[in-house]
Amino acid sequence: DVKVTQSSRYLVKRTGEKVFLECVQDMDHENMFWYRQDPGLGLRLIYFSYDVKMKEKGDIPEGYSVSREKKERFSLILESASTNQTSMYLCASSQAGNQPQHFGDGTRLSIL
Amino acid sequence: SQQGEEDPQALSIQEGENATMNCSYKTSINNLQWYRQNSGRGLVHLILIRSNEREKHSGRLRVTLDTSKKSSSLLITASRAADTASYFCATPWGGATNKLIFGTGTLLAVQP
Repeated sequence: DVKVTQSSRYLVKRTGEKVFLECVQDMDHENMFWYRQDPGLGLRLIYFSYDVKMKEKGDIPEGYSVSREKKERFSLILESASTNQTSMYLCASSQAGNQPQHFGDGTRLSIL
Repeated sequence: SQQGEEDPQALSIQEGENATMNCSYKTSINNLQWYRQNSGRGLVHLILIRSNEREKHSGRLRVTLDTSKKSSSLLITASRAADTASYFCATPWGGATNKLIFGTGTLLAVQP
């Protein structure tokens, strides 16, 4: 079974902090994704990576950056956390092409 | 850039009844996927239907796709309390072959 592991289930940070969310997948998938999920807005894609060191912006990249130095690991960085970044963050991975995505259990991030 | 929209937003049924959820999308697609999300968890892929397929089954799930109407439906037969979850459809993002756009989901509550 594919396993996508997110480093924290719950995280509380303060405004202005630099926040790192980590995601690791164990199935050698080419694609990795970061989404945020907010009530009434569904899932919105923040960033996508299709290979090591490669990335593409999604719908809402402002205020975020990503890093993919190794194939199995995809990090989301909040450069200077703000309260409007309080949300559920979901990481996913998939094989190349429109293959099913496999999700982690999410990180519920609160910015105070 | 929301592509899929589910209908209804919420559905409450009794155990043993069937549940039908609908998804409409805007542009031409080569496949459509359905996912399930239990409260506070990540999404789980249920089924993928390709544009040249009209119907697909997986256990108690039946998915239909009507490309002329740009719509899909997910039927869960003989529902169980454990089917209580949110259900999302997802379609490829524009011409991209790796990214998906998720709808806002249908919240299904199955009463025991």
